[in-house]
Amino acid sequence: DAKTTQPTSMDCAEGRAANLPCNHSTISGNEYVYWYRQIHSQGPQYIIHGLKNNETNEMASLIITEDRKSSTLILPHATLRDTAVYYCIVRVSGSARQLTFGSGTQLTVLP
Amino acid sequence: GAGVSQSPSNKVTEKGKDVELRCDPISGHTALYWYRQRLGQGLEFLIYFQGNSAPDKSGLPSDRFSAERTGESVSTLTIQRTQQEDSAVYLCASSLGYREAEAFFGQGTRLTVV
Repeated sequence: DAKTTQPTSMDCAEGRAANLPCNHSTISGNEYVYWYRQIHSQGPQYIIHGLKNNETNEMASLIITEDRKSSTLILPHATLRDTAVYYCIVRVSGSARQLTFGSGTQLTVLP
Repeated sequence: GAGVSQSPSNKVTEKGKDVELRCDPISGHTALYWYRQRLGQGLEFLIYFQGNSAPDKSGLPSDRFSAERTGESVSTLTIQRTQQEDSAVYLCASSLGYREAEAFFGQGTRLTVV
């Protein structure tokens, strides 16, 4: 799996958009970008994934650069409950390999 | 059930005792994972089951750790002769075989070895 780099921590004001970056400069053509988050004392939660097109679901939007070397997870209207560690993972979808989580970004939504 | 269920939610055991942790995956999910998360640290992969294939045990830290899965249902993680460094939250996740990275996690079992 390609290595990812994320900032250690970020703050965001409640109600504003939270933009979480991820660098994955060694990503391969068949590798997807996945985002998970882990709220304190809970198990990780799948958020969204994409290959090269931008994706949106009820939780977030994922913007992938044209060269696919970086991506941004966008929470359009952050709430206090979005405070969590956000993990960016790059891997081949459908492969028989385990998920691997790095250290992630601690997002703190401030009131 | 609707989600991945793990039991017990908390377990306190004495050093040297054996413990067994249980995971009930989402019905129909062929892939099942066990992870360990020590306080303030990231997730550490332990073992992976996919259908009837041989499990990927490459993450098990020692021979004191073992896991079983019956078909595509319940899995148990067993830790023998527990040590204090085994104290952690043990997380189980499951996913559809063709959408493995869209994994659903349980709430975990918090194991404390005293």
